[in-house]
Amino acid sequence: EVQLVESGGGLVQPGRSLKLSCAASGFTFSNYYMAWVRQAPKKGLEWVATISTSGSRTYYPDSVKGRFTISRDNAKSSLYLQMNSLKSEDTATYYCARLSIGTTHVMDAWGQGASVTVSS
Amino acid sequence: AIVLNQSPSSIIASQGEKVTITCRASSSISSNYLHWYQQKPGAFPKLVIYSTSYRASGVPSRFSGSGSGTSYSFTISRVEAEDVATYYCQQGSSNPYTFGAGTKLELK
Repeated sequence: EVQLVESGGGLVQPGRSLKLSCAASGFTFSNYYMAWVRQAPKKGLEWVATISTSGSRTYYPDSVKGRFTISRDNAKSSLYLQMNSLKSEDTATYYCARLSIGTTHVMDAWGQGASVTVSS
Repeated sequence: AIVLNQSPSSIIASQGEKVTITCRASSSISSNYLHWYQQKPGAFPKLVIYSTSYRASGVPSRFSGSGSGTSYSFTISRVEAEDVATYYCQQGSSNPYTFGAGTKLELK
């Protein structure tokens, strides 16, 4: 069974940093692109970052580019999101998602989410 | 960035009724790259339809999708109580991958 389990969420002050982790199991992690998607309270979904299978390629929307860094450790089947210079608008639930093999960029498995609150 | 306009933003339907959600893209996208997700209250999103019209594993046949170019639709042929959720379209055609604003389905 495919499982994605996020951790590392919490309350953080504006301007500080936080690192999320996602532990993957039930599939060959190194074969899949992975992504982070967030959802602000009572709002819709927003794609945050994507990483290639080897980690050599990463993609971000303008809203987080330069502040967030996605990375992975294939030996540990783990995905990470380093978030720096956090702003109140980064408050959200952050989901780890697996991208299906191929080029369709469909997210075929999701974690339960990690809550991040940016507030003083 | 490709903007996805979803409509309606909310639907109130009776059990057994047919409902259709529309997703219009600001630029033409290949049907391979248009997907639909279901998010039940308090839960994480779940893939329902991928590449416009293919049902994900375990998804009931009452769910279907169609479309091409800039216009796509998602249909539940006969709504059941368990279908209460917010539904999102998503494009994987170009970065940034974007989602529609969501359609909240409630039962009458």
